[in-house]
Amino acid sequence: GAGVSQTPSNKVTEKGKYVELRCDPISGHTALYWYRQSLGQGPEFLIYFQGTGAADDSGLPNDRFFAVRPEGSVSTLKIQRTERGDSAVYLCASSPLARTSAGNEQFFGPGTRLTVL
Amino acid sequence: AQSVTQLDSHVSVSEGTPVLLRCNYSSSYSPSLFWYVQHPNKGLQLLLKYTSAATLVKGINGFEAEFKKSETSFHLTKPSAHMSDAAEYFCVFNTNAGKSTFGDGTTLTVKP
Repeated sequence: GAGVSQTPSNKVTEKGKYVELRCDPISGHTALYWYRQSLGQGPEFLIYFQGTGAADDSGLPNDRFFAVRPEGSVSTLKIQRTERGDSAVYLCASSPLARTSAGNEQFFGPGTRLTVL
Repeated sequence: AQSVTQLDSHVSVSEGTPVLLRCNYSSSYSPSLFWYVQHPNKGLQLLLKYTSAATLVKGINGFEAEFKKSETSFHLTKPSAHMSDAAEYFCVFNTNAGKSTFGDGTTLTVKP
């Protein structure tokens, strides 16, 4: 079956611009996660959705970052007034279970590489 | 604070020789632990997971890991490396609330 897909695969923007990154999770997966991966580092948690609601947004670095999941499937990560430090690979993952389930496996998309010039 | 440390940023082995990728965790309780692999331009894929059942966990592609509470370790091993094992490997720690913390990764190079 289809895995997690993310679009675009690459996004180049200028400092100060607004960007949207899209994630299509595996059908039926209720949990959805966004991570940011900087060069040479592991993925860093941004936000977790259970259904339509953001159950944990403690990883969002500041109020320029926002994410939605209005119908409990597709999610969009929105970044306002982009800065050069926002350049990274943004990863999306989905899971059939809530994250408190022991051993809950996350299924990752290939990521969106964001470059802010 | 709970955390996970991958002790080697790069590991290089010859094809057919054993692989050891080291991971230590810091926690006041027994966590859920995972190993994921990331091939270039592909999403992270789960190799194996530990959830307080058997301490020796077998995963896909011949990998296994042993949870050692006394050493707070969860090292990943494979008896014989294959060229296709070359990738980035991440050790992941889940808190009781299910929040994931990733190590910084280990790049595995396999020489012919």
